[in-house]
Amino acid sequence: QVQMVQSEAEVKKPGASVTVSCKASGFTLTSYGVSWVRQAPGQGLEWMGGITFYNGKSKYAQKLQDRVTLTTDTSTSTAYMELRSLISDDTATYYCARVFSDSSGWHFDLWGRGTLVTVSS
Amino acid sequence: SYVLTQPPSVSVAPGKTAKISCAGSNIGGRNVHWYQQIPGQAPVLVIYDDSVRPSGIPDRFSTSNSVKTATLTISRVEVGDEADYYCQVSDTVSGSDQFVVFGGGTRLTVL
Repeated sequence: QVQMVQSEAEVKKPGASVTVSCKASGFTLTSYGVSWVRQAPGQGLEWMGGITFYNGKSKYAQKLQDRVTLTTDTSTSTAYMELRSLISDDTATYYCARVFSDSSGWHFDLWGRGTLVTVSS
Repeated sequence: SYVLTQPPSVSVAPGKTAKISCAGSNIGGRNVHWYQQIPGQAPVLVIYDDSVRPSGIPDRFSTSNSVKTATLTISRVEVGDEADYYCQVSDTVSGSDQFVVFGGGTRLTVL
């Protein structure tokens, strides 16, 4: 079955870091790319960054680039998103999404179910 | 940075047609993608590259684009279409601070 399987919910204290994983199943991750999108409670979608494998390049939202690191383990078809120095505004559901890339940009044709990250003291 | 503007909400009766707009500077020159997010679920791609429906998306979903506005049209609306809809583009301008841009989302309510 073609899917992206994300790690379970996390609760973190302010100032801590969190790592969310996303494992590709039923397809070859390196044939596409992977991106991360978050959604605060009751809010819209916010793009965080992503990686495309055909050129090995990563892109980050400028707002988050100092606190986010995206990595992949191609041997296990797993992508990781690390967010550091957590604040309460980082409380959100974090989605990974498969990237389809062409000359006009990216779109996301397959999404994980989301990982809720709660930042609370 | 590039901005996409959507109406917060649209309401429609079952069986009627819903139109959801997405406004942006020269959006007609960009590829626009649309996602449906049923409450409590992950987003699902319903239209990509302006007008292409992925496999499994009914032909009740269609689009039209002008220079300033992209519009998602849902014909013969069903109760199951009640969801949030997001438009998305890529800002490929060199030096852009946000490569991927989402609209703020539109809640479609089926009355």
